[in-house]
Amino acid sequence: DVKVTQSSRYLVKRTGEKVFLECVQDMDHENMFWYRQDPGLGLRLIYFSYDVKMKEKGDIPEGYSVSREKKERFSLILESASTNQTSMYLCASRLQGTNTEAFFGQGTRLTVV
Amino acid sequence: AQSVTQLGSHVSVSEGALVLLRCNYSSSVPPYLFWYVQYPNQGLQLLLKYTSAATLVKGINGFEAEFKKSETSFHLTKPSAHMSDAAEYFCAVITSNTGKLIFGQGTTLQVKP
Repeated sequence: DVKVTQSSRYLVKRTGEKVFLECVQDMDHENMFWYRQDPGLGLRLIYFSYDVKMKEKGDIPEGYSVSREKKERFSLILESASTNQTSMYLCASRLQGTNTEAFFGQGTRLTVV
Repeated sequence: AQSVTQLGSHVSVSEGALVLLRCNYSSSVPPYLFWYVQYPNQGLQLLLKYTSAATLVKGINGFEAEFKKSETSFHLTKPSAHMSDAAEYFCAVITSNTGKLIFGQGTTLQVKP
């Protein structure tokens, strides 16, 4: 079974802190994604990486950056956390291809106070 | 850019009734479409995907979806709702050759006894 593991299930950080959310997949997938999920807004793509060191901005990249130095790990960085970044963050990975499905981690509930 | 729109953020049905969750896509080329389900406090899992092999796609838990090019739709149906179907449902589409995956706003399905 594919496993996508997010480093924390719950996280509380202070405004202005630099925050790292880590995601690791064990199936050699080329594509990895970071989404945030907010009630009524669905899943919004923050950043997408289609291979090691390759990335594309999603719909809401402002205030975030990412790092993909190794194929299995995709990190989301909040450079200076703000309260409006309080949300559920979901990581996913998929095999490169037209109709391969994405597999999701359990999510990280981030609260910025 | 390709996108998906889910009509109806909340759908309520009685147990045993037909479930119909709507998804329309915008695409000038054959799209690659998916339906995911998220049960309370759980991650997303794949229900089904459109692979262009057949317009009627069967998924898990008795769900199916029909791809209709003339209507640019990929609606999700289930003949008879069960209480355990209560969840949030997301339609998604691959939007680029690199594999970017975009989700709709989600539809919360409530099943009444």
